[in-house]
Amino acid sequence: QSVLTQPPSVSAAPGQKVTISCSGSSSNIGNNYVSWYQQLPGTAPKLLIYDTDKRPSGIPDRFSGSKSGTSATLGITGLQTGDEADYYCATWETVLSANVLFGGGTRLTVL
Amino acid sequence: QVRLVESGGGVVQPGRSLRLSCTASGFTFTNYGMHWVRQAPGKGLEWVAVLSHDGNNKFYADSVKGRFTISRDNSKNTLNLQMSSLRADDTAVYYCAKDMYSSSSQFLTSWGQGALVTVSS
Repeated sequence: QSVLTQPPSVSAAPGQKVTISCSGSSSNIGNNYVSWYQQLPGTAPKLLIYDTDKRPSGIPDRFSGSKSGTSATLGITGLQTGDEADYYCATWETVLSANVLFGGGTRLTVL
Repeated sequence: QVRLVESGGGVVQPGRSLRLSCTASGFTFTNYGMHWVRQAPGKGLEWVAVLSHDGNNKFYADSVKGRFTISRDNSKNTLNLQMSSLRADDTAVYYCAKDMYSSSSQFLTSWGQGALVTVSS
C-alpha cells in the first residue's frame, strides 16, 4: 500500500484529455516537488515531469503537471494509442524519513 | 547518450546474498547521485536506495534497511547493491537510475533495462 494514492486505472478515447491524480500529505507532496514517470509495457520507466510542472527535453507539451496542497495531477491531452502505459507519481518524504516515494501507479487505456 | 547496464541478477535462496552492479556510460558518473528502484512482478515501482555523487550520503527504504548496502566506484563508473538476508518479497526487477542532481532527489532522469532477482528455494 503506497503512501501516495493514485487511481488504479483511467481510460479515454484517442484525441481526448485525461487527468491522473496523486494524493499525499503535508510531509511529502505538500512540501516537495512532484515528478511523474511513464512506463510503457515491458520497458523501464521514463521521466515525464519534474519540479511538479517541468518537462525534460523531448517530452511533448501534451503532458503537463500541477499541484494543489497535498495532491498533484498529471494531464495528457490529444491522447494517442502510444500513450497506453502505467504512470507513476513520485515525491520526497521529508518528515518521517529521507525517502523517495512512488505512487501505486495508474494504468492508462486509450480506447 | 546515457547508458546504464545492470548485471548480477539471478535466482538465490532465501537468506542468501547477491550483489548487483550497474555500469554507467555517456555522462560524468562522478557528478550525479544514483538510485536503485525495484518492481515486483506485476506490481508498481518501489524505491530502494540512493547514493550521492561522492558516496558520502546514502538513504534506504525501510524495507531494505540493514540488509542492503549501496556503494559506488567512481573510478570504474559502477554502482553496486549488496543484498543480504534475502526474502521472497525481495523478488523483483531491480533498476539502476541516474539522479538529476549530485545529491539525491526524486528526479530520475535515466534508467537501466533492469536485472531480475528471484528469491526462491
